[in-house]
Amino acid sequence: DTAVSQTPKYLVTQMGNDKSIKCEQNLGHDTMYWYKQDSKKFLKIMFSYNNKELIINETVPNRFSPKSPDKAHLNLHINSLELGDSAVYFCASSQGVGSDTEAFFGQGTRLTVV
Amino acid sequence: SQQGEEDPQALSIQEGENATMNCSYKTSINNLQWYRQNSGRGLVHLILIRSNEREKHSGRLRVTLDTSKKSSSLLITASRAADTASYFCAPAGGTSYGKLTFGQGTILTVHP
Repeated sequence: DTAVSQTPKYLVTQMGNDKSIKCEQNLGHDTMYWYKQDSKKFLKIMFSYNNKELIINETVPNRFSPKSPDKAHLNLHINSLELGDSAVYFCASSQGVGSDTEAFFGQGTRLTVV
Repeated sequence: SQQGEEDPQALSIQEGENATMNCSYKTSINNLQWYRQNSGRGLVHLILIRSNEREKHSGRLRVTLDTSKKSSSLLITASRAADTASYFCAPAGGTSYGKLTFGQGTILTVHP
């Protein structure tokens, strides 16, 4: 069983479209995250939810909206996609939010905006 | 910022050799984690070292931490082709809410 699973794995779409990426974890964790990895491999956090409450909201365009229907799911909806949104998006989960928290990552969703 | 910077950016070695990667950071930390990313995959946690520890081992991995120099190193001994991956460090401290801040990583290539 995959611990943190994301769908889809690949997403190619045109500028201006709206798309969603889904994430589910079966680890029983209470915290989930969205990270963005750019073409230079820099991985930056976007959002984090703890027990369905938003606790981290980095400087991200408001075209990006996370939704956590329950502790096991965290979806990412992106409106009006732009070329610069092309990247690999990773979902992750952890138990707790301490500085020593180990994160478990999904396999990533490669988004290509054309 | 507690972002780590990994060095070198790329490292190429032969199977059986040791690989050493370094991480530097700028602020005080409580701990530092190392992660591995295989091509096309998500990150996988390797090891965590706390600020009161100087060295930690896990299998073929050895991590050191020098808080006075604000640096850490990851040594992989007797490397294998399967160790080919990108390696990232994530220093952390204070109220991070679980946030991990990564650098650009070190791309390790192990040739059979």
